[in-house]
Amino acid sequence: GNSVTQMEGPVTLSEEAFLTINCTYTATGYPSLFWYVQYPGEGLQLLLKATKADDKGSNKGFEATYRKETTSFHLEKGSVQVSDSAVYFCALSGYTGFQKLVFGTGTRLLVSP
Amino acid sequence: DTGVSQDPRHKITKRGQNVTFRCDPISEHNRLYWYRQTLGQGPEFLTYFQNEAQLEKSRLLSDRFSAERPKGSFSTLEIQRTEQGDSAMYLCASSSGRGTEAFFGQGTRLTVV
Repeated sequence: GNSVTQMEGPVTLSEEAFLTINCTYTATGYPSLFWYVQYPGEGLQLLLKATKADDKGSNKGFEATYRKETTSFHLEKGSVQVSDSAVYFCALSGYTGFQKLVFGTGTRLLVSP
Repeated sequence: DTGVSQDPRHKITKRGQNVTFRCDPISEHNRLYWYRQTLGQGPEFLTYFQNEAQLEKSRLLSDRFSAERPKGSFSTLEIQRTEQGDSAMYLCASSSGRGTEAFFGQGTRLTVV
């Protein structure tokens, strides 16, 4: 079945550091890929998405590129801020006709001033 | 548009009791999803409605679980004879159609003692 593997956290960075959170997936067909973010006390929010190979999703300075050859969708940001501290979930949606999401276990990011 | 609303936010119940959660999706969203998230894990798909029809149920949804969406508006998730293993965050999401973003509520945290 479909699955997502992402790096364990917490990831601890200083403000303005470069961020990478690794995500790899296993899926049949041509899945869509997502990054969701969960800020403390809030619900999951879509951060970015990519629906086909080589697509780059971007939002709020975050980027991720859909790499079919390496089955990866790594999240990157050039300069993190304290306000980016949150839990980040990589997810995929298989080609099933509706958006049923399969999530990774989440990676907690802690950014210190 | 006030987003996806879930009630209650927290529920503590004794083992063996029945509990019911409610989800109010974004108005006019015809697709509604329930997920379960245990500590340290990503959300896991439970079930999916398109309008009032329940189109898919996960194997995670045992016979003690039942979900309804009368008239294709709000949805309820009932757990009968709760067990300690049912302790989790129950998330609801809604979307307006195939391939569109799923918006999540803040969840209902269930603790079974």
